[in-house]
Amino acid sequence: AQRVTQPEKLLSVFKGAPVELKCNYSYSGSPELFWYVQYSRQRLQLLLRHISRESIKGFTADLNKGETSFHLKKPFAQEEDSAMYYCALSRGNKLVFGAGTILRVKS
Amino acid sequence: KAGVTQTPRYLIKTRGQQVTLSCSPISGHRSVSWYQQTPGQGLQFLFEYFSETQRNKGNFPGRFSGRQFSNSRSEMNVSTLELGDSALYLCASSLKGDTEAFFGQGTRLTVV
Repeated sequence: AQRVTQPEKLLSVFKGAPVELKCNYSYSGSPELFWYVQYSRQRLQLLLRHISRESIKGFTADLNKGETSFHLKKPFAQEEDSAMYYCALSRGNKLVFGAGTILRVKS
Repeated sequence: KAGVTQTPRYLIKTRGQQVTLSCSPISGHRSVSWYQQTPGQGLQFLFEYFSETQRNKGNFPGRFSGRQFSNSRSEMNVSTLELGDSALYLCASSLKGDTEAFFGQGTRLTVV
């Protein structure tokens, strides 16, 4: 069965510190993975998809098939990064989401 | 262009009643998916429609149903409401279902 695990419910860091939001998945096949973000009072929106291999708002994520991980990283956290982050796996025409991690960036 | 629009934004219903939620996708998008979001279970897939056909269904009871119209607008219906159906219901649209999904603001359903 497809499953996405985000082990941390809450990650609290200081402004300027590095951030790593963990995501592990189980999927038999070639996964397509995403990071979605939900800022306060805003709709869920796509942050990154692994096939595009781009950096958005300073965030990057690398798919590690050996470790079945897709961790989200940013070298220097900013206060505006505070939000709920969801890792998701695409299985055809549906998304399987992790439980989400709240990122709090303190000043 | 306009984003995904869900109506109504908030609903309060009584146990046993039924409810219909509406979703208007982004113009040109033919795939509409529905998700239930609760604090305990997180985001769970309900079903996906493409060109008026349900292509995929999540693990929810038959009380949850949906449909899609020729203009790609979609509705989901929940019959015989239970307290546990209280949740944020999110709709997402995409061009074909296997591309980037754009989410609506959601409909907050409270069952009392």
